[in-house]
Amino acid sequence: QQQVKQSPQSLIVQKGGIPIINCAYENTAFDYFPWYQQFPGKGPALLIAIRPDVSEKKEGRFTISFNKSAKQFSLHIMDSQPGDSATYFCAASHNQAGTALIFGKGTTLSVSS
Amino acid sequence: NAGVTQTPKFQVLKTGQSMTLQCAQDMNHNSMYWYRQDPGMGLRLIYYSASEGTTDKGEVPNGYNVSRLNKREFSLRLESAAPSQTSVYFCASSERIAYFGPGTRLTVT
Repeated sequence: QQQVKQSPQSLIVQKGGIPIINCAYENTAFDYFPWYQQFPGKGPALLIAIRPDVSEKKEGRFTISFNKSAKQFSLHIMDSQPGDSATYFCAASHNQAGTALIFGKGTTLSVSS
Repeated sequence: NAGVTQTPKFQVLKTGQSMTLQCAQDMNHNSMYWYRQDPGMGLRLIYYSASEGTTDKGEVPNGYNVSRLNKREFSLRLESAAPSQTSVYFCASSERIAYFGPGTRLTVT
């Protein structure tokens, strides 16, 4: 049973476009929803995270939208740049110390110049 | 402050050989994790340790063992490597935000 479903698997946009990556979760006990960015040959790094008490969070060009009733959240990248080309993972976890993150399968984003 | 370090960076094993992947963190985090990453499969949890002295199975624990040696170190052991264990292995530590190491690329022939 896949607890966090992520789509699309890959995405190609032109520079300046707004790629959107979607995730859905099943466990209503999840209360922490981060997005990780991974460049080739590197480990994933936290990009932005949201908790279910807010519907949107922005950090620079990155925005998370959260829909608690639909159990969905998405990442929007404004004014995308070639340097944003990477693999993006959504994740979820419970509000408990030591609880492991459950990851989606990832989206490979390519931003063409 | 090195964050999360992993050794080795690359390893090639023959089927049936054993090896231990090492991980250490210098952020004084209680929780540590081992994930494997395979194409199209995302990051799958192998084992985790919520605190020193405790370990728990994740989604894909078969064929692996772990040791939480102390608060800093969390090792992953493959007792008898199989080709299905060819993967990239990531260690992470967290209090809430998970910080990942650079990964170990393991090939089992």
